[in-house]
Amino acid sequence: DIVLTQSPALAVSLGQRATISCKTNQNVDYYGNSYMHWYQQKPGQQPKLLIYLASNLASGIPARFSGRGSGTDFTLTIDPVEADDTATYYCQQSRNLYTFGAGTKLELK
Amino acid sequence: QVQLQQSGAELVKPGTSVKLSCKASGYTFTSNHMNWIKQTTGQGLEWIGIINPGSGGTSYNVKFKGKATLTVDKSSSTAFMQLSSLTPEDSAVYYCARGINYGGYSDYWGQGVMVTVSS
Repeated sequence: DIVLTQSPALAVSLGQRATISCKTNQNVDYYGNSYMHWYQQKPGQQPKLLIYLASNLASGIPARFSGRGSGTDFTLTIDPVEADDTATYYCQQSRNLYTFGAGTKLELK
Repeated sequence: QVQLQQSGAELVKPGTSVKLSCKASGYTFTSNHMNWIKQTTGQGLEWIGIINPGSGGTSYNVKFKGKATLTVDKSSSTAFMQLSSLTPEDSAVYYCARGINYGGYSDYWGQGVMVTVSS
């Protein structure tokens, strides 16, 4: 199984940059694509797709969100952070079946 | 617009089975795979399996083989997941999510259904 490791929590100030990391124990690249995706989940809601294939912004998602990385190291960046961004963020790989990270809870300082 | 409408919350007894539904609308049902995902407080998000509504073909997380069975009814654009031999560890919120073929990510999710297994 491919294991995804995320930090449990991150606290940032409004207007600052938030960088959330996701590391995998195996390479998730294949034929030029990185099979890593990011979701946002707020309490009581379903997850929402933010970024797909490492760096592509999903439809309707503000440009404040961006993703980068390849191989085994990936990051989701929110810049600038707004109050509405408080949520838990999950990474997910689809290189070998599908697994999710444990999530990073973003809080405001 | 794409919508995935899941059935209501379930309270079921240990040892029994439950069948959850996910009705799709706003797109051609057979054009996208459908994923099922389990969410618990302790285990986070776990992928259960995927079904191709066009062919009925399935693939499961080995952890859920024998526990979950995925089916579809193309005539009603509805996906189903049956969970069998339920135990308290199966208590969770279950989501269906539309899969993007060859990408492996889910662009639309149902609202989730809470299943509680208790005697």
